[in-house]
Amino acid sequence: AQKVTQAQTEISVVEKEDVTLDCVYETRDTTYYLFWYKQPPSGELVFLIRRNSFDEQNEISGRYSWNFQKSTSSFNFTITASQVVDSAVYFCALSFQGAQKLVFGQGTRLTINP
Amino acid sequence: DSGVTQTPKHLITATGQRVTLRCSPRSGDLSVYWYQQSLDQGLQFLIHYYNGEERAKGNILERFSAQQFPDLHSELNLSSLELGDSALYFCASSFTGGPNEQFFGPGTRLTVL
Repeated sequence: AQKVTQAQTEISVVEKEDVTLDCVYETRDTTYYLFWYKQPPSGELVFLIRRNSFDEQNEISGRYSWNFQKSTSSFNFTITASQVVDSAVYFCALSFQGAQKLVFGQGTRLTINP
Repeated sequence: DSGVTQTPKHLITATGQRVTLRCSPRSGDLSVYWYQQSLDQGLQFLIHYYNGEERAKGNILERFSAQQFPDLHSELNLSSLELGDSALYFCASSFTGGPNEQFFGPGTRLTVL
């Protein structure tokens, strides 16, 4: 079965600190896809990144970076120099070849305090 | 703005009633997905339509149904509503039916009293 675990329910840091959100996934598929979404207080879900299982390169986009490690089935998300606007709930999700759905983790509520 | 629109934004109704949620996908997207977000269940996949055809079903109750019309907009019908159906209902769209990134609408918050 496919499963995504985000063990950190809530994280609170002070602005400008770096913060890492953990994501651990389970799947028996050899081809799968990992995603991160952001849900700000306004409620919409914003797509951040998609990563294929055969591409283990880490990715950096501005202050955001993602570390994909197949050996530990993890796809962690780091925000560098956090800002108040980063406050949101972040979801990690999994999909796989032939599937039409996203399997979401329970989300991590991130609060950045000024 | 993802380009996916959902109406209404909020809906308040009573138990036993029936409601219809509407979704318009991004221009050019052929797939529409419905998800339910509740405090106890988290984000759960309900159903997927691709170019008018049902492609996959998730944890969707028999009281719920959906369809995708020729213009590709979709409607989610919820009937015999119960208190536990109160949730945020999201529609998402993608270009193909495969495991691509899905772009979500703003959601419809349903409150059943």
